[in-house]
Amino acid sequence: QQQVKQSPQSLIVQKGGISIINCAYENTAFDYFPWYQQFPGKGPALLIAIRPDVSEKKEGRFTISFNKSAKQFSLHIMDSQPGDSATYFCAAPTNAGGTSYGKLTFGQGTILTVHP
Amino acid sequence: GAVVSQHPSRVICKSGTSVKIECRSLDFQATTMFWYRQFPKKSLMLMATSNEGSKATYEQGVEKDKFLINHASLTLSTLTVTSAHPEDSSFYICSAARLAVYNEQFFGPGTRLTVL
Repeated sequence: QQQVKQSPQSLIVQKGGISIINCAYENTAFDYFPWYQQFPGKGPALLIAIRPDVSEKKEGRFTISFNKSAKQFSLHIMDSQPGDSATYFCAAPTNAGGTSYGKLTFGQGTILTVHP
Repeated sequence: GAVVSQHPSRVICKSGTSVKIECRSLDFQATTMFWYRQFPKKSLMLMATSNEGSKATYEQGVEKDKFLINHASLTLSTLTVTSAHPEDSSFYICSAARLAVYNEQFFGPGTRLTVL
């Protein structure tokens, strides 16, 4: 069964700084690692995802770095803004196919606060 | 693209009544939808996987007779909380998966259920 460990639980960053959130997974039959952003009272929104035929993916201020041998991936938010203040969840496929196909296992979440 | 809606966004009901929550993929067909439950400041807990035209698959510990799931079409899944009790109060979120793009899930805005 998949486990995804996310750290830190909370993060405070000054405006313009870099926010870094890390995740580690145990094993997976599929290579797909998304990050979701959730604001209070809202559903999670897909922020960025990586399929590790590459080790890094960048979309605007958001970058995923992936280390397959270490089974770790991280989210970097450059030039962090107060509007980025939210809870971030990483996820990994819930292991091999069959009834697990399509399922995601989520990390515990990181509450990011960006101070102006 | 990839918009998922949920209705209602908020519901308050009396103990013992049943509540139906609808999840729709608005601009894509979803052969699989997922239902999650989220407690305050916690991660997403998968309740069940809903496949169009077949019975839902429930996660261990989830009462299938209490949480009835129907996936009648490629764009609609419903969750019915039967004989709701205060302990069922929670934030329920659905997601729809474009499995041609494996594991990619898009979430609805969530439904806040309060049982008095």
